[in-house]
Amino acid sequence: EPEVTQTPSHQVTQMGQEVILRCVPISNHLYFYWYRQILGQKVEFLVSFYNNEISEKSEIFDDQFSVERPDGSNFTLKIRSTKLEDSAMYFCASSLELAGYNEQFFGPGTRLTVL
Amino acid sequence: KQEVTQIPAALSVPEGENLVLNCSFTDSAIYNLQWFRQDPGKGLTSLLLIQSSQREQTSGRLNASLDKSSGRSTLYIAASQPGDSATYLCAVRADTGFQKLVFGTGTRLLVSP
Repeated sequence: EPEVTQTPSHQVTQMGQEVILRCVPISNHLYFYWYRQILGQKVEFLVSFYNNEISEKSEIFDDQFSVERPDGSNFTLKIRSTKLEDSAMYFCASSLELAGYNEQFFGPGTRLTVL
Repeated sequence: KQEVTQIPAALSVPEGENLVLNCSFTDSAIYNLQWFRQDPGKGLTSLLLIQSSQREQTSGRLNASLDKSSGRSTLYIAASQPGDSATYLCAVRADTGFQKLVFGTGTRLLVSP
């Protein structure tokens, strides 16, 4: 069964460093998302991406964040200068978004630890 | 702003019991509602999706209902098993043309043998 994959599973970085989190969405899906979950808190929406551009973003997704689909399979989240409060589990998701097919499927997540 | 609440926050039951998890949302203008399962330190597994026009969906021992006008959904788990132990999250998508999901805080379920 097709699934969303994410790499790495765990990333440790120093404050101020840039990180890139990678995702391979389900191959025929059209919409891609990033969510995050700070330990003990709710899952929060960051950004949605369609047709090579951002379709919606939250107030969390400031200038330090960017997303890219560098090729036909990968979808990346870049954090330019990490802060301690960026430590969280980051989930990538994708959906097909045709009539009746709008379920979002999530990857296993990347645990980001900022020291 | 949409707020999603799940009650109870935690639930512990013996194996074999039928149980109900509750999800409520403040804005009834939703497009759909999804129930997820999250195992500790793991990703989210989609269990059921209910479109706003539907009243319920079933998958195996799981049945989810939706009462959009009252802002409520329930997830019914029949004949619970220890393998059902996990955190269950509900998430709603607004009827705005955008796709973001707004999540609840989850119900942590422990089913003991």
